[in-house]
Amino acid sequence: LAKTTQPISMDSYEGQEVNITCSHNNIATNDYITWYQQFPSQGPRFIIQGYKTKVTNEVASLFIPADRKSSTLSLPRVSLSDTAVYYCLVPSGNTPLVFGKGTRLSVIA
Amino acid sequence: GAGVSQSPRYKVTKRGQDVALRCDPISGHVSLYWYRQALGQGPEFLTYFNYEAQQDKSGLPNDRFSAERPEGSISTLTIQRTEQRDSAMYRCASSSWTSGSTDTQYFGPGTRLTVL
Repeated sequence: LAKTTQPISMDSYEGQEVNITCSHNNIATNDYITWYQQFPSQGPRFIIQGYKTKVTNEVASLFIPADRKSSTLSLPRVSLSDTAVYYCLVPSGNTPLVFGKGTRLSVIA
Repeated sequence: GAGVSQSPRYKVTKRGQDVALRCDPISGHVSLYWYRQALGQGPEFLTYFNYEAQQDKSGLPNDRFSAERPEGSISTLTIQRTEQRDSAMYRCASSSWTSGSTDTQYFGPGTRLTVL
């Protein structure tokens, strides 16, 4: 399983764009990059997954450079409700997820 | 449709007692996972099933922990002779299983276990 490294915490003001970068130097050819979000007192929730270049959905965008050794989760115009822990994972097929400590995002009014 | 459900949501027990935690996955989901989450940490894998077969139990801390999924649906995580260090949030997740792909895991609300 590819090991991931991401910042422990980030602060942002409401309305700003937040970019959380994750490194995964030993990602395998077939691995996808997946991000989960966890609000306090809730279980983690899948938000986005990608293999290369850019993926966008209603929640976030995911940017993956050509070498795939890192990825950046982009949250546009964050609000207080985006305060959560964001986990970057590189799961291998249908296997258990390996969570690190994630990035604790605090959005300030 | 209904998501993953877990019961009880909260369990307080005395040291030495046995506890059974239940997980009801999303209907039709083949894979079921158990995780344990300490405060301020990400979930930590315990064990998982495909259908009724336990695929990996390498994350179970010791032999006081066991899990079963006899009919390939509901699963029970049992902790025998509980100890205070077992206190944590226990989370269950399920996913459909498409061979060769990476499937989204859907997490339940968790069971908060407190061992006094």
